[in-house]
Amino acid sequence: ETGVTQTPRHLVMGMTNKKSLKCEQHLGHNAMYWYKQSAKKPLELMFVYSLEERVENNSVPSRFSPECPNSSHLFLHLHTLQPEDSALYLCASSQDYRVEQYFGPGTRLTVT
Amino acid sequence: DQQVKQNSPSLSVQEGRISILNCDYTNSMFDYFLWYKKYPAEGPTFLISISSIKDKNEDGRFTVFLNKSAKHLSLHIVPSQPGDSAVYFCAASGPNAGNMLTFGGGTRLMVKP
Repeated sequence: ETGVTQTPRHLVMGMTNKKSLKCEQHLGHNAMYWYKQSAKKPLELMFVYSLEERVENNSVPSRFSPECPNSSHLFLHLHTLQPEDSALYLCASSQDYRVEQYFGPGTRLTVT
Repeated sequence: DQQVKQNSPSLSVQEGRISILNCDYTNSMFDYFLWYKKYPAEGPTFLISISSIKDKNEDGRFTVFLNKSAKHLSLHIVPSQPGDSAVYFCAASGPNAGNMLTFGGGTRLMVKP
C-alpha cells in the first residue's frame, strides 16, 4: 500500500450505532488530519494530530472522537450520530509544518 | 464567515483553450496558498502552491498567480485537456496556523473535447 488509505470506503449506520473510521499513511509523515466534506460546503478541518499534540475544531460535536495511536494510524470513532453528519470524511497527512497535505480517498458516511 | 472563497461553482472550457479558476481570501495573514484537484470517489490531490513572497509559480501546464493587494489568486491551465475535468479547491495557510489549511468551496471544471 502506498499513500494514504482509508477504510471502509462506504458506511451506512443508524443513529444508535457505534462505528470507527480508519486511516493509515505510508508516507512517513508525522501529522494526520480528519476533514469533513458536506454537500456544497468547503472541506472542514475536524482534528489535527501533529508531533503528538492534538488540535481540534471547537465546532466539532463530541459524538466524533479521534484517536491517533502512532504517527501512521488515525481513527475517528463515531457514536449516536445524526443524519446531518452524513458526509465524506477525508483523512490527510503531512510532514512537519509543510502544508502540502496528502489525502486519502475518503469514507462516504450515511447516517439513517 | 468563509475566509477563502471560490465564487464560481462551475466552469466549462473547450479542449485546448485556457481554464482560469479564481479564488479570493479575506485573511491578510495568509501567506501560503495551494490548489488541489479532486476526482469523484477520490481524495483531493495536491497540484501546485505559491508563497506570498512570489506572484507567480509555474509547473507545466499549470500556473498560479497571486495578487496580494487584491487578496486574489488564480490557477491557469493551458492547454486544457478533458482529463483536467475535476473539482478544484484553493486553500490557504498562515504563519500561526501550523498545519491547518482553510479551503474554498471548490469549482467544478468541465473540459469539453
